[in-house]
Amino acid sequence: GAGVSQSPRYKVAKRGQDVALRCDPISGHVSLFWYQQALGQGPEFLTYFQNEAQLDKSGLPSDRFFAERPEGSVSTLKIQRTQQEDSAVYLCASRPGTGSNTEAFFGQGTRLTVV
Amino acid sequence: GQNIDQPTEMTATEGAIVQINCTYQTSGFNGLFWYQQHAGEAPTFLSYNVLDGLEEKGRFSSFLSRSKGYSYLLLKELQMKDSASYLCAVVEYGNNRLAFGKGNQVVVIP
Repeated sequence: GAGVSQSPRYKVAKRGQDVALRCDPISGHVSLFWYQQALGQGPEFLTYFQNEAQLDKSGLPSDRFFAERPEGSVSTLKIQRTQQEDSAVYLCASRPGTGSNTEAFFGQGTRLTVV
Repeated sequence: GQNIDQPTEMTATEGAIVQINCTYQTSGFNGLFWYQQHAGEAPTFLSYNVLDGLEEKGRFSSFLSRSKGYSYLLLKELQMKDSASYLCAVVEYGNNRLAFGKGNQVVVIP
């Protein structure tokens, strides 16, 4: 597709359930980011991939959060044993290169609600 | 790390001009982005500044002062479709990620 695609758009999980969120970046984009956005707040950085390498995971809030991008294209963000505070929109973004002056293209996000 | 501050909400009339401010503190500034985000949608790119001064792009302009750690986004000839959240994001040297502020909600009224 032409843009960043995320699935599912909406996910309701029972507390304690594991979830997996998918991101299809723009084809050929080297850099991929995951962000968490709470209602009324700006996106908070979670993790960054350059191709298949996870270069920065400093924003992951706990060891229940895990991300991978095994072939340098599609990425999955996994949250184990979900808790209510995990409820948020999870945004994926990609950039064509690694230069700081290139814009990041965002997907529409996955809205996760933990009940 | 970065500390980015934006005011939270403002209301303006169609056809008016609004200025949205962003102040930041960072150990190694390497660029500032402005994004627009409509409710429930993806953030979309508006502008990028890395040098001091004004960048103009149609109805939107963005200004940067690196010495003051300050940027603003100017929206002219406001339209109803400009009702959205406006996010500033800073990039640091040696760090490819965008660090976002909380965003400023602009509500345009007739």
